[in-house]
Amino acid sequence: LAKTTQPISMDSYEGQEVNITCSHNNIATNDYITWYQQFPSQGPRFIIQGYKTKVTNEVASLFIPADRKSSTLSLPRVSLSDTAVYYCLVGLGGSYIPTFGRGTSLIVHP
Amino acid sequence: ETGVTQTPRHLVMGMTNKKSLKCEQHLGHNAMYWYKQSAKKPLELMFVYSLEERVENNSVPSRFSPECPNSSHLFLHLHTLQPEDSALYLCASSQGGQKNTEAFFGQGTRLTVV
Repeated sequence: LAKTTQPISMDSYEGQEVNITCSHNNIATNDYITWYQQFPSQGPRFIIQGYKTKVTNEVASLFIPADRKSSTLSLPRVSLSDTAVYYCLVGLGGSYIPTFGRGTSLIVHP
Repeated sequence: ETGVTQTPRHLVMGMTNKKSLKCEQHLGHNAMYWYKQSAKKPLELMFVYSLEERVENNSVPSRFSPECPNSSHLFLHLHTLQPEDSALYLCASSQGGQKNTEAFFGQGTRLTVV
């Protein structure tokens, strides 16, 4: 599975846009990029997934450059409830076994 | 509600006890997983079942014994645990064989070994 690198922690304030970048230099051709959100004492929750360019849903946007060696999760206008750990995962879709790294701990301040 | 239900939500057990964690998914998925998450640590993959066959076991101690009787149910049998086994145990399911599959997680079982 492709190894991912994310910042350990980030701080932001309510109403700001937050961008979390993940590096995955050895991503394979068939790999999709998936982001999860986890609150304390809960299971991770799927946020968004993409293969290339840009994907947007009601929660976030995912930007993937042409070389696909990195991706950026963008959270628009964060609120206190967005305080959580965010994980970036890549893996071969056909035999995908979700393997989590340390993730990025985002703290949103009032 | 993710479609993956874990019971119990909390469990306190002594080191000599035997208990089981249960996971049930109503999503029609063909792969199920057990993860362990200790305090302030990443999720550790413990077991993977695909089409009811165990496909991965990440060197988990034998005091943890998984069972997958059908594609909708997954158990983790516990016996003679140690205090360091106290953690949040998470179950997940996904549809294997699809390139854009995603995993759905249960709420977890908070296990305390005393």
